[in-house]
Amino acid sequence: KAGVTQTPRYLIKTRGQQVTLSCSPISGHRSVSWYQQTPGQGLQFLFEYFSETQRNKGNFPGRFSGRQFSNSRSEMNVSTLELGDSALYLCASSLEPDNSPLHFGNGTRLTVT
Amino acid sequence: EDQVTQSPEALRLQEGESSSLNCSYTVSGLRGLFWYRQDPGKGPEFLFTLYSAGEEKEKERLKATLTKKESFLHITAPKPEDSATYLCAVQAGYGGSQGNLIFGKGTKLSVKP
Repeated sequence: KAGVTQTPRYLIKTRGQQVTLSCSPISGHRSVSWYQQTPGQGLQFLFEYFSETQRNKGNFPGRFSGRQFSNSRSEMNVSTLELGDSALYLCASSLEPDNSPLHFGNGTRLTVT
Repeated sequence: EDQVTQSPEALRLQEGESSSLNCSYTVSGLRGLFWYRQDPGKGPEFLFTLYSAGEEKEKERLKATLTKKESFLHITAPKPEDSATYLCAVQAGYGGSQGNLIFGKGTKLSVKP
């Protein structure tokens, strides 16, 4: 069974640009969550989607947004990139939001210059 | 404020030298505590879920335990392949789902042959 797939694996962008990251969950998983991982802050929750609806949102500015499609695939977008947005962005999927563990992809490494 | 603190930050062991990693938490209504393992360049890999004080889970050389204030990950006779960063996370009770976890910053374990 294929795991969570995130594309691209690496991305280099310039300050002020915007970026879209993609996540394909494990087949049959309907819940998708996004996390930002940095050396200083560790893993921080961005948002959670289930059945195309955002269930929870973390404490990030409005420049960070996401969506989920009817096939459970998800995208996140960051507009007006800042240097501090450089991080590993991890997507995780689960069967249901409340009673099954998260399975993570290997992330997208975003570098903002 | 909900918080997860892991100690030590780093731990170096000789192969076969057993030890424990600590995860202390303050959360309003714990609904679940999770342990993950993360290898360099990869996303976190799910290990265990614990739901109530006194609960224990085992997998190979790893055993996770839970009290009302902390969790321990015991590693018995570790091998070099157990080297990784071990992450602890909690699901809060006020509306947190398993997609919205609060992570500690991890313990980086190195096991030397």
